[in-house]
Amino acid sequence: QSALTQPASVSGSPGQSITISCTGTSSDVGSYNLVSWYQQHPGKAPKVMIYEVNLRPSGVSSRFSGSKSGNTASLTISGLQAEDEADYYCCSYAGTGTIVVFGGGTKLTVL
Amino acid sequence: QVQLQESGPGLVKPSETLSLTCSVSGDSINTYYWSWIRQPPGKGLEWIGYLYHSGSTNYNPSLKSRVTISLDTSKNQFSLKLTSVTAADTAVYYCARLTRYDWNPNWFDPWGQGTLVTVSS
Repeated sequence: QSALTQPASVSGSPGQSITISCTGTSSDVGSYNLVSWYQQHPGKAPKVMIYEVNLRPSGVSSRFSGSKSGNTASLTISGLQAEDEADYYCCSYAGTGTIVVFGGGTKLTVL
Repeated sequence: QVQLQESGPGLVKPSETLSLTCSVSGDSINTYYWSWIRQPPGKGLEWIGYLYHSGSTNYNPSLKSRVTISLDTSKNQFSLKLTSVTAADTAVYYCARLTRYDWNPNWFDPWGQGTLVTVSS
């Protein structure tokens, strides 16, 4: 069982917005603004889309945004495109014991 | 542009040691943290551990007793050793650069392409 809880799947139509949640605890997501999100297409390596909760690396579309409330972080993708269909993983720093934890992943389907 | 490339055997026998190397180009290994992450077939990502150029390391508590990550600065490489492997260690193994915030791990970028390691007799 993954330390961070994500929905197994979400879906949306082109042009719509979707949000993927990532629920942790007060020991990880709730305590640190060190949440990152990764996009993974089949057979490819993950790619960072968001870091430090809501920052976008250079080159990542502004359609991707992140937020956090309490122990839950969220990734929102607006203006869905076919190329957004992929698996998405959240990740958080979890303190000096557990250190780094990933979510179980969410499969995004663009209808 | 920083690039990472994993290399090592694709097949390891049960109870033996899995050994992989990550070659880094376009950046000095004497900066950042450097990490290993794995992904069993059809499953999610699992962080294995990371090290800093000083040689200090941090490991996933669930793997700590079997994992060693080390650095070879002369070759700009870092390595993973996982002992006493079982079928449960079959996975795609990725190496990645890890940016820190203060002294805490922050985000992984870039990643290597990954290498599949199968544990089987």
